[in-house]
Amino acid sequence: AQTVTQSQPEMSVQEAETVTLSCTYDTSESDYYLFWYKQPPSRQMILVIRQEAYKQQNATENRFSVNFQKAAKSFSLKISDSQLGDAAMYFCALPQGAQKLVFGQGTRLTINP
Amino acid sequence: DAGVIQSPRHEVTEMGQEVTLRCKPISGHNSLFWYRQTMMRGLELLIYFNNNVPIDDSGMPEDRFSAKMPNASFSTLKIQPSEPRDSAVYFCASSSRRVRGGKLFFGSGTQLSVL
Repeated sequence: AQTVTQSQPEMSVQEAETVTLSCTYDTSESDYYLFWYKQPPSRQMILVIRQEAYKQQNATENRFSVNFQKAAKSFSLKISDSQLGDAAMYFCALPQGAQKLVFGQGTRLTINP
Repeated sequence: DAGVIQSPRHEVTEMGQEVTLRCKPISGHNSLFWYRQTMMRGLELLIYFNNNVPIDDSGMPEDRFSAKMPNASFSTLKIQPSEPRDSAVYFCASSSRRVRGGKLFFGSGTQLSVL
């Protein structure tokens, strides 16, 4: 079965600086996707970024980028130029089967002004 | 598009009462998921439907929980009777097979408090 582990329950960063959130996973599949979701205080789960495992190039979405290391089964999220609006819970997720997602336990990110 | 719509946003009830949570998925999406979020257990998948048919309900905790999807635009999650340990945020999400890689669109969730 697929598993997702986020080892950092909480992280904090100074506004405008860069922070990296860690995620490791386990899967027996060779072709899969990985996701980072953001959950701000409003509770809405929002997709931040998606990585296709067969692509060697790391995905980037504006200030958000990933460091995907397939052999190590590692999928970290880097947030550059942190903003107050980035404060949220961040969840790493991995599909199990066709569309079902397995989530990590989450990392609470605090942005210090 | 209005996104995934859940109601109510908050529900407070007493132990033993029946609770019904509602979800309207995004039009055209043919997969619907119910997740539960708690501090202790994080996000857990309770059940998911594909083309209105329940595919995997292994996450439904007990027989007190039931879910239906009578048509492509509506689903309910019912808890009867409710217990304090059912207190959690319940999310509905939908996706389309036309979207590769399991991208889910979530509703705003229902905060359930069972007293």
